[in-house]
This record gives sequence, structure tokens and C-alpha cells, in this order.
Amino acid sequence: AQSVTQPDIHITVSEGASLELRCNYSYGATPYLFWYVQSPGQGLQLLLKYFSGDTLVQGIKGFEAEFKRSQSSFNLRKPSVHWSDAAEYFCAVVDNDMRFGAGTRLTVKP
Amino acid sequence: NAGVTQTPKFRILKIGQSMTLQCTQDMNHNYMYWYRQDPGMGLKLIYYSVGAGITDKGEVPNGYNVSRSTTEDFPLRLELAAPSQTSVYFCAIRGGTNTGELFFGEGSRLTVL
Repeated sequence: AQSVTQPDIHITVSEGASLELRCNYSYGATPYLFWYVQSPGQGLQLLLKYFSGDTLVQGIKGFEAEFKRSQSSFNLRKPSVHWSDAAEYFCAVVDNDMRFGAGTRLTVKP
Repeated sequence: NAGVTQTPKFRILKIGQSMTLQCTQDMNHNYMYWYRQDPGMGLKLIYYSVGAGITDKGEVPNGYNVSRSTTEDFPLRLELAAPSQTSVYFCAIRGGTNTGELFFGEGSRLTVL
């Protein structure tokens, strides 16, 4: 079965700094990959997704992610973090079922 | 969360009690999922269904049962509640055949004492 690993449990960045959240997957074929964001007490919101084609995908709220097959990675990036980006971020891979990573909690310092 | 309704939103159970978490969708999607979310553990897949009459185990199915008699409904049943089942439960549907995007319900917070 497919699996997802998010190596960083918690990341703290200063407002205005750049951000990269790591995601590694294990899957036999070309994966469908996703990043979701969850604010406290809320459900999950889709940030972006990759199915095929251009390996750099753009999402909402200024986020982007790059699929690298050679590294089995799908890292999420943002050039300049805003205080409102503080949340938990989940990477996911889908086949018939969808598996999530354990999440990375982002704290933004003023 | 449009289209996916979960009930109840909150519930407290005693050890050994049983209950059913309801999930209903009005989007006519085939794929439905139940996840549990625990602090620092992300979302763990309990069961999923690819259509009416078809269900399959996910990562953490023990202690739970599901049924899918209709496209709309995918209830999750806890037969003998245990403290380890204290969690937040999310139902989700998969939007479209090929997109893979999940739409989540608002969650059900279950506490077993």
C-alpha cells in the first residue's frame, strides 16, 4: 500500500520568510499527490494537487509544490509566509484509498 | 464541507457502549472514507467504500464496522467503545472519478470514558 512521510513534526518560521514543508511518498506507480491545510478546530482544505504533467503545481494562498520522482518527494513551498498560514499541513497520496502523512504544524513568529 | 454531513458533532460514551456515526452525502460520489485524527498522528484511514455494497479496510479498522447500503450513506459503527477510540472522526467523499480530491465533513468528536 502507498504511504506518506512528513519528516518535520513542527516548523517555526518568521513572518515574511520562505517556507518549505517536506513530503516523501512510497508508491509503485505515478502517484496522485495532495497537500491539505487544517486550521485549529476545522476540517481539511485542499491547497493543491498533482496528477501528471508539469511537476511544479500552483495552489491557493500562494502555495506551490514540486513533484520530484527521482526523490519520491512532493515538497510544499511558499516564498513569503503570512501569520494566517499558521496551521497544520498534511501531504496525501491516493490510489483507491487516500493515505495522509502525520502532518507538519507550522508556527509563524511575528 | 458542502455535501458531506456528519452527525453527531460531539458524543461522550462509556466504555463498552456502542454507537453509530452517521455520514451522508448529496453529491452522488462513489468513494467515501472514514478517518480518525489523533494529535500528532495525522489522519488514519479506518474504512473506505468505492460504491454501494462495497467496503474495505483501511489502516486502523479494528473496533469498527461500516456498511454501504446506499450511495448516500456510509455509517461507522463502534460496537464496544474503548478509551483508545477517543478521537475526532472525519467522513470524506472523493470528488469525481479521477481527481482524487477529498471533501470532508465537519468532524465528530468522540470521547470514551
